[in-house]
Parts: sequence; structure tokens; C-alpha cells
Amino acid sequence: EDQVTQSPEALRLQEGESSSLNCSYTVSGLRGLFWYRQDPGKGPEFLFTLYSAGEEKEKERLKATLTKKESFLHITAPKPEDSATYLCAVQAISDSWGKFQFGAGTQVVVTP
Amino acid sequence: GAVVSQHPSWVICKSGTSVKIECRSLDFQATTMFWYRQFPKQSLMLMATSNEGSKATYEQGVEKDKFLINHASLTLSTLTVTSAHPEDSSFYICSARDRLTGAFEQYFGPGTRLTVT
Repeated sequence: EDQVTQSPEALRLQEGESSSLNCSYTVSGLRGLFWYRQDPGKGPEFLFTLYSAGEEKEKERLKATLTKKESFLHITAPKPEDSATYLCAVQAISDSWGKFQFGAGTQVVVTP
Repeated sequence: GAVVSQHPSWVICKSGTSVKIECRSLDFQATTMFWYRQFPKQSLMLMATSNEGSKATYEQGVEKDKFLINHASLTLSTLTVTSAHPEDSSFYICSARDRLTGAFEQYFGPGTRLTVT
């Protein structure tokens, strides 16, 4: 069975204090791993798609990387507006519709 | 681009009534739309997958007769919660895949907060 585990559950950072979030996964044939950001009371906002081990994607202060077993979301010099819950999801090659299996998320709070 | 809307954004209804939630892709045609529910402090749980013109595929444990899904066009899917009860109170979110690009990213709507009294 596909599984996605995110750690830590919660992270409190000072503004400017860089850190990394982890997403470990087991899936029988990975089509893609997806990172989203979700603000309270809103739908998830798409950040990145990673397809193969060694791939990296960047957007502003965020950088996502992928290995065969896990993905990391690095937050460099975070600002208070980076506070959100970060979700990762995996998609198996076997699923023709492209269903996601989500992790539980990491809640990030950045204080000034 | 890739904007998904939901209507209404919140709804309060009485126990036993039915509620319809609309999900629209505004600037793209959706191959497939997905419906999720999310409880407080929890992640998204997939309820069903819908494709235009065909019956929805429900996840294990989701009651088909309670959560009716209709995917009438390439830009509109609806979720009807029939005979709602307080335990159906939740945050419902839809997502859609872009038919033209064929990409596997899902673009999410803003969600609908349902409260059943």
C-alpha cells in the first residue's frame, strides 16, 4: 500500500532561520511527487512537481529535492508570509486518473 | 492560469436536507476532477474521482448514495450531500487536472465549509 509520511508535524522558525521539511514515501512505481502549500481555511496551492530522483525545483525561498525514498522541501531565510501547512503527495504510475496520496502535512510558523 | 472555483464558500443547513456544491475550472478544461474532505488539523482525504460524462469512482468507505457526484461538462462538477447529518460537517475541496496539457498536477478550489445543524 502506498504511504506518505511527513516530518516534523510542526515547525516553528525565526525569520531568516533556514530549515528543511521531509516527505518519505513508499509507492509501487512513482509517477510524480507534488508539493503544495495550504493556508488555514483555503485550498492547497500548487508549488512543485518532481518526477525522478535527483531532480530539484526552486521557487523564491523554496527548493524541493527528490530521492528514491524521500523528498525535502528546503525553506531558505523564511519570512512570516511563509507560514502555512506544507503538504506532499505522491502519484503512482498504476493509477490512470492521477489520484494523489497525501501526507499529513507539516505546519510551519515563522515568527518575526 | 489554472484557476478552480467553488460555490458556495460556506453553507449551513439543517439535518436531513441536501446541499449541492459546485466546482468549476475557470480557464481550462478538466479531464478529471477530484473531491476531497478535510477535517480540522488533518490532511485531505480523497472521496471520489470524476470524469466528464461518466460515473464517478468512489473511494472505499464513501457512500455513493449519500455523496452524489455529477461531472456534467469539462468545466463543471457538482457534489451533492444528500440527507445531511452533523457528522457530514467538514471542509470539502475539489481539484482538477488540465485536459489540454495532460499534466498530472491537480489545481485546487478554495474549499466549501459545510456545517450541518
